[in-house]
Amino acid sequence: GAVVSQHPSRVICKSGTSVKIECRSLDFQATTMFWYRQFPKKSLMLMATSNEGSKATYEQGVEKDKFLINHASLTLSTLTVTSAHPEDSSFYICSAHGLAGAGLDTQYFGPGTRLTVL
Amino acid sequence: DAKTTQPPSMDCAEGRAANLPCNHSTISGNEYVYWYRQIHSQGPQYIIHGLKNNETNEMASLIITEDRKSSTLILPHATLRDTAVYYCIVRVAGAAGNKLTFGGGTRVLVKP
Repeated sequence: GAVVSQHPSRVICKSGTSVKIECRSLDFQATTMFWYRQFPKKSLMLMATSNEGSKATYEQGVEKDKFLINHASLTLSTLTVTSAHPEDSSFYICSAHGLAGAGLDTQYFGPGTRLTVL
Repeated sequence: DAKTTQPPSMDCAEGRAANLPCNHSTISGNEYVYWYRQIHSQGPQYIIHGLKNNETNEMASLIITEDRKSSTLILPHATLRDTAVYYCIVRVAGAAGNKLTFGGGTRVLVKP
């Protein structure tokens, strides 16, 4: 149980285009999802916290107009990287927080999406 | 959330127990200790968490000192597939919005 999927697993795009990444909790509902970014040989950095039906909360230094987050349902959150540039190339990882009452009081992570912007 | 300190790297032998230390001397009474690991190019995987009692599951054991200022994750019989970066994180449980703050972790290399 507690499986989180991401799609696509890797994407290559041209500079200036937008890329959408989907994060789904497959077998549990998640009122809160998180988006992280990870550069090579570095630790995960939290970008934003997303709550179902409300606006995401972004970490300091993360541009909300560049990284659009939508959390439309209890099982789906999307991250759109708008007008992507080479410096946005990174490994993007989402997580979904389970319900404490179901014994899932922690974050479960997706497999990650590797974005390469040419 | 309290900060944690972990050794940057360690090697262990396949088939032997791997003991991963973590210091969290400023942990608060309502903060849990969580362990995750990240295998190369994958998302982190939840391993175990605890408050003050020792915990065990199918993956590992968590030993928390009585003063809760440090803990040890034990992989009882390390395999090559356990090679990963292991993160020790403390956070308040029970609130979905509570963030996980990832430090540098311990890079564990299991050798044949």
